[in-house]
Amino acid sequence: DAKTTQPPSMDCAEGRAANLPCNHSTISGNEYVYWYRQIHSQGPQYIIHGLKNNETNEMASLIITEDRKSSTLILPHATLRDTAVYYCIVRISGSARQLTFGSGTQLTVLP
Amino acid sequence: SQTIHQWPATLVQPVGSPLSLECTVEGTSNPNLYWYRQAAGRGLQLLFYSIGIDQISSEVPQNLSASRPQDRQFILSSKKLLLSDSGFYLCAWSVRQGGEQYFGPGTRLTVT
Repeated sequence: DAKTTQPPSMDCAEGRAANLPCNHSTISGNEYVYWYRQIHSQGPQYIIHGLKNNETNEMASLIITEDRKSSTLILPHATLRDTAVYYCIVRISGSARQLTFGSGTQLTVLP
Repeated sequence: SQTIHQWPATLVQPVGSPLSLECTVEGTSNPNLYWYRQAAGRGLQLLFYSIGIDQISSEVPQNLSASRPQDRQFILSSKKLLLSDSGFYLCAWSVRQGGEQYFGPGTRLTVT
């Protein structure tokens, strides 16, 4: 799986959009970008994934650059409950290998 | 909708005692099932994964074992716990190998 780089921490005001960047410059053509988050003392939660097109679901939007070397997870209206560590993972969709989380980004939503 | 249950939520066990953690999934059939361990401040370590009943692959040799007696039930066991077995144990499921995985609430195990 390609390596990813994320900022260690970010703050966001409640109600504003949270934009979480991820660099994955060594991504290969068949690797997808996945985002998970982990709220303190809870299990990780799947958020969204994509290959090359932008994706949106009820939780977030995923913007992938045209060269696929970076992406941004957008939480459109952050709430206090969105405070968590956010992990960007790059992997082949059909791979049976384990999920490997890096250090992630600690997002703190401020009131 | 699909849900995943794990119990117990927390557990304190002495060294040398046995262990049994249970995970069940509802609302789906033939899921792929996974057991992970997360040490404090660290990433996930895959322990076992299963693509079907009695089809279990071990990723890390150790004193733990896993069983899948039913399609949607996954059990993690140990005959004798070690101090190093302390951690946050997570069960997860997916609809296909490598697809997005959905995690349970976890069991926090402390071996004393």
